[in-house]
Amino acid sequence: GAVVSQHPSRVICKSGTSVKIECRSLDFQATTMFWYRQFPKKSLMLMATSNEGSKATYEQGVEKDKFLINHASLTLSTLTVTSAHPEDSSFYICSAIGTLGQETQYFGPGTRLLVL
Amino acid sequence: DAKTTQPPSMDCAEGRAANLPCNHSTISGNEYVYWYRQIHSQGPQYIIHGLKNNETNEMASLIITEDRKSSTLILPHATLRDTAVYYCIVNNAGNMLTFGGGTRLMVKP
Repeated sequence: GAVVSQHPSRVICKSGTSVKIECRSLDFQATTMFWYRQFPKKSLMLMATSNEGSKATYEQGVEKDKFLINHASLTLSTLTVTSAHPEDSSFYICSAIGTLGQETQYFGPGTRLLVL
Repeated sequence: DAKTTQPPSMDCAEGRAANLPCNHSTISGNEYVYWYRQIHSQGPQYIIHGLKNNETNEMASLIITEDRKSSTLILPHATLRDTAVYYCIVNNAGNMLTFGGGTRLMVKP
C-alpha cells in the first residue's frame, strides 16, 4: 500500500509554544489530506480536511486559528498547534488520498504531542 | 455518528480464524465497506475494502451479505501480532472516515 509519513513521531513542548507536525505522502500525490486527533482509549476524531492549494475545512469545535493547516504541495501537509496548552496533548494522525480519486485512505504513523 | 455497529471486544485463539462482524444497515448504494485496524500507539492500517462482492487480499477476506447490510472480516490464521482495534467504516470513496468504537481483538496463545 501507499506510504504516509509523519514527523516528528513524538514531541514534548512547553505550554505557550507552537509545534509543527508534517505529513508526507511518500510514493503518491495527495490532493486531499485529513487530520485526526485521538485521546487515550478513544477513537479517532476528524479535525480538518486539507486540500492542496486551498484553505482547510475544519470540523465543528476545532479552532482554525489554533490548529493551522497548510497543504502547499501534493505531497506535504502541515499542522501547527499554536500556543499549545496541556489539554492539546494528544495523538495526532494524518491520512491521505491520491490524486486519481483513489478509494483508499492511507494513514501516517501518528505524532504524540505532550505539552507541559 | 458512525454508521456501523461492532462488538466492543472479541477473543481469538492463535492460529484460528478470527471472524469480526459489522452491521451497517443504513449503507447506501455507492458506499464502500472499509476495514482498518489500529495497533496500540500507531496510525490505522488499511486492511481491505469492498462494495458488493467478497474480497480477499494477503491480509484478510471480506464477506459482504447480499443485501449489504452487514459484513464480516476474516483473518484466516490469527497471530499475536493481529491483536488490535479493528474498525469497520462505510463511506463514499474519497471522503473523510468516521471512526466508531471498533472491536478490540485479543489474540491469545
